Amino acid sequence: QSALTQPPSASGSPGQSVTISCTGTSSDVGGYNYVSWYQHHPAKAPKLIIYEVNKRPSGVPDRFSGSKSGNTASLTVSGLQAEDEADYYCSSYAGSNHWVFGGGTHLTVL
Amino acid sequence: EVQLVESGGGLVKPGGSLRLSCAASGFTFSSYSMNWLRQAPGKGLEWVSSISSSSTHIYYADSVKGRFTISRDNAKNSLFLQMDSLRAEDTGVYYCVCAGPGYWGQGTLVTVSS
Repeated sequence: QSALTQPPSASGSPGQSVTISCTGTSSDVGGYNYVSWYQHHPAKAPKLIIYEVNKRPSGVPDRFSGSKSGNTASLTVSGLQAEDEADYYCSSYAGSNHWVFGGGTHLTVL
Repeated sequence: EVQLVESGGGLVKPGGSLRLSCAASGFTFSSYSMNWLRQAPGKGLEWVSSISSSSTHIYYADSVKGRFTISRDNAKNSLFLQMDSLRAEDTGVYYCVCAGPGYWGQGTLVTVSS
């Protein structure tokens, strides 16, 4: 069982928006503004798309956005495109130099 | 350029052992905690183990506790995972991950089969 809880699947049609949640506790997600999101396509290394809750690394489209409320972080993908179909994982700092991870959400573009 | 390069994967029989290595470069390895995550065929990513920057704090998933040992050598910018008493369910791609800045390796495949 993963430390952070994500829905196993999400879906949306091209052009639509979809939000993926990541629920932790006050000891991780709720306690620190260090939530990251990764996009994982098969046979590739996961790619960082959001860090520190809502910051995007250079090169990541602004269609990807992050937010947090209490112990739940969220990733929103706007203007869905076919290439957004992938697995998405969240992680959070949990203190004592330790990070925890979610179990992943498979995003299907219908 | 940041690089995390895993090695040491392969085919091993149930009950056997493997030692994975991860060579880091392009960032200050000794400043960050490090993690091993794995992905079984057709499954999602699973966190396996983590070690703090100075090796003070070490954590394991229940599924590997007592069988796997994580370690690091900051002088050599290297992370290790000693895997003993391997089971079929340990099969998968193992990733070396620096979660702070979000660095991932390409992964190394471990197959446990008779």
